[in-house]
Amino acid sequence: NAGVTQTPKFRVLKTGQSMTLLCAQDMNHEYMYWYRQDPGMGLRLIHYSVGEGTTAKGEVPDGYNVSRLKKQNFLLGLESAAPSQTSVYFCASSSGTDSYEQYFGPGTRLTVT
Amino acid sequence: AQSVAQPEDQVNVAEGNPLTVKCTYSVSGNPYLFWYVQYPNRGLQFLLKYITGDNLVKGSYGFEAEFNKSQTSFHLKKPSALVSDSALYFCAVRDMWSGNTPLVFGKGTRLSVIA
Repeated sequence: NAGVTQTPKFRVLKTGQSMTLLCAQDMNHEYMYWYRQDPGMGLRLIHYSVGEGTTAKGEVPDGYNVSRLKKQNFLLGLESAAPSQTSVYFCASSSGTDSYEQYFGPGTRLTVT
Repeated sequence: AQSVAQPEDQVNVAEGNPLTVKCTYSVSGNPYLFWYVQYPNRGLQFLLKYITGDNLVKGSYGFEAEFNKSQTSFHLKKPSALVSDSALYFCAVRDMWSGNTPLVFGKGTRLSVIA
């Protein structure tokens, strides 16, 4: 079991460029999440999905889009990157049953110049 | 609405001493409570959780947490701190009856164990 994987691990973008971050899980989890982590801000939820084909906004959705075309994958897109989106991005998944314990990926460090 | 507070940004403790990392929560109904740990340049790792039952929950690496309903707290504890416990700790909560809503995380507490 690989658990939750994220690609890429690091990325540098110029302002205005676009990119997609990929999250994959092999635990057959229904729920998937995208967070960003900034110093002093803790974890902030960007978007989440409660099942294939569904997405919902979190606390800080502006400037991001997501898609969940397959149950095991959750994509986070930045259409026009801004320096304010410089952050570490974490993906997580959970079964959606029992206690909703979340399992996290290793993170993607994104720098926008 | 659900919320969680970690009142200390930083906790310093000497190796071998007991440690406590504080967490208080607010939910409408009954809480599910979690502690996660994050080591440098890594993702969050699950430590322990309270769902129901015994108020004292034991988790990984010798950590435990006590659920106190009257004080709406879920403090993380360890009897004897190790230098390797130095990390960022997150408390999280969700209301048992909140449907599909995700966990709500605190801002994190940085634990520094000094040799």
